[in-house]
Amino acid sequence: AQSVTQLDSHVSVSEGTPVLLRCNYSSSYSPSLFWYVQHPNKGLQLLLKYTSAATLVKGINGFEAEFKKSETSFHLTKPSAHMSDAAEYFCVVSNTGFQKLVFGTGTRLLVSP
Amino acid sequence: EAGVVQSPRYKIIEKKQPVAFWCNPISGHNTLYWYRQNLGQGPELLIRYENEEAVDDSQLPKDRFSAERLKGVDSTLKIQPAELGDSAVYLCASSLLGVHEQYFGPGTRLTVT
Repeated sequence: AQSVTQLDSHVSVSEGTPVLLRCNYSSSYSPSLFWYVQHPNKGLQLLLKYTSAATLVKGINGFEAEFKKSETSFHLTKPSAHMSDAAEYFCVVSNTGFQKLVFGTGTRLLVSP
Repeated sequence: EAGVVQSPRYKIIEKKQPVAFWCNPISGHNTLYWYRQNLGQGPELLIRYENEEAVDDSQLPKDRFSAERLKGVDSTLKIQPAELGDSAVYLCASSLLGVHEQYFGPGTRLTVT
């Protein structure tokens, strides 16, 4: 069975400083990994995805994530936070060949001026 | 391109009452998903359809929950009777067959009193 662990329930940063949201995964197979963002009262939006191609994945709004198999990690980063980045972020795993997404418990990103 | 549409956005009912949620997926997406998201948690899959067929309903509480996807397009999720523990956000998502990337609707926030 596959699972993800988001290591921080809340992360607070100041506008203009780097963002790091941490995610570790567990999977018996070659995983596909995703980051989704959820703004209040809005649907989940896909930020980026890893599906066994390049290990450094670039997404929308300046976010990127690096797949590290040796560390079973898929951390999300952004060089400079913006106020509009404040939201809930979910790390998600899916086994290749299946369409079942398994979500982490989420990390709430708070951005202060 | 229109996204996934869900209605209603909010619903308040008393326990033991029935409730239904409606979802219209992105045009051309033959795979449809219903998720439940409890407060402070990530979404959990309830049921997945490929066209009209429910191919994964292992997490659907079948004693009170039912779903249908007539004609392989719109879908309805029903709860009868509702319990206090059913209070959650119910999310609908859709994707192309065989593709991991899922597109989510804004959800229906259900409150059972």
